Amino acid sequence: DTGVSQDPRHKITKRGQNVTFRCDPISEHNRLYWYRQTLGQGPEFLTYFQNEAQLEKSRLLSDRFSAERPKGSFSTLEIQRTEQGDSAMYLCASRGTSGPYNEQFFGPGTRLTVL
Amino acid sequence: SQKIEQNSEALNIQEGKTATLTCNYTNYSPAYLQWYRQDPGRGPVFLLLIRENEKEKRKERLKVTFDTTLKQSLFHITASQPADSATYLCALRDSGTYKYIFGTGTRLKVLA
Repeated sequence: DTGVSQDPRHKITKRGQNVTFRCDPISEHNRLYWYRQTLGQGPEFLTYFQNEAQLEKSRLLSDRFSAERPKGSFSTLEIQRTEQGDSAMYLCASRGTSGPYNEQFFGPGTRLTVL
Repeated sequence: SQKIEQNSEALNIQEGKTATLTCNYTNYSPAYLQWYRQDPGRGPVFLLLIRENEKEKRKERLKVTFDTTLKQSLFHITASQPADSATYLCALRDSGTYKYIFGTGTRLKVLA
């Protein structure tokens, strides 16, 4: 069990460019979440996958954001036509089906800076 | 409107004292509430979960209470240490959805 990993850890891009982030959850976890976190705020829910199915997506998420989990393992989050307001830490978390605590295991995050 | 609030001001306490952090929520009916710790530049780490039918939960130096009438959870760290310095987040699951809602977090600093 190597934990949740995210790649890249840092991304600097120019406004208008597209970016894609990857998340590799803990291998036996079938539930995967994406969050966005800005300075001084808690994580803000973006989307949820159970296996390969995207079961919930935040209404705050614009059409520029899309996420996939094609084989129910790793997931990608793409932001098209980035804006300066997209600058944030993007966190991925996974959760299994067993255990009493429903806890999410977070990755280290991808810090996005849009110039 | 729905909201979950934590004291956004940093809490500074002396080593050895008990730190108490507050989480209040409005217009949610969570079946449980979670507490996480977050260090700078890292993802949150789960600490404790307390269910709506539980008044108190303990784990080592940590204690969480849950009052569904007051719609409040209190998180205590006893015999605090400088290594406890971090941001502490409370979270609940919005009923009928898969969405988890996090508070803004309270930054705790334990002074040696």
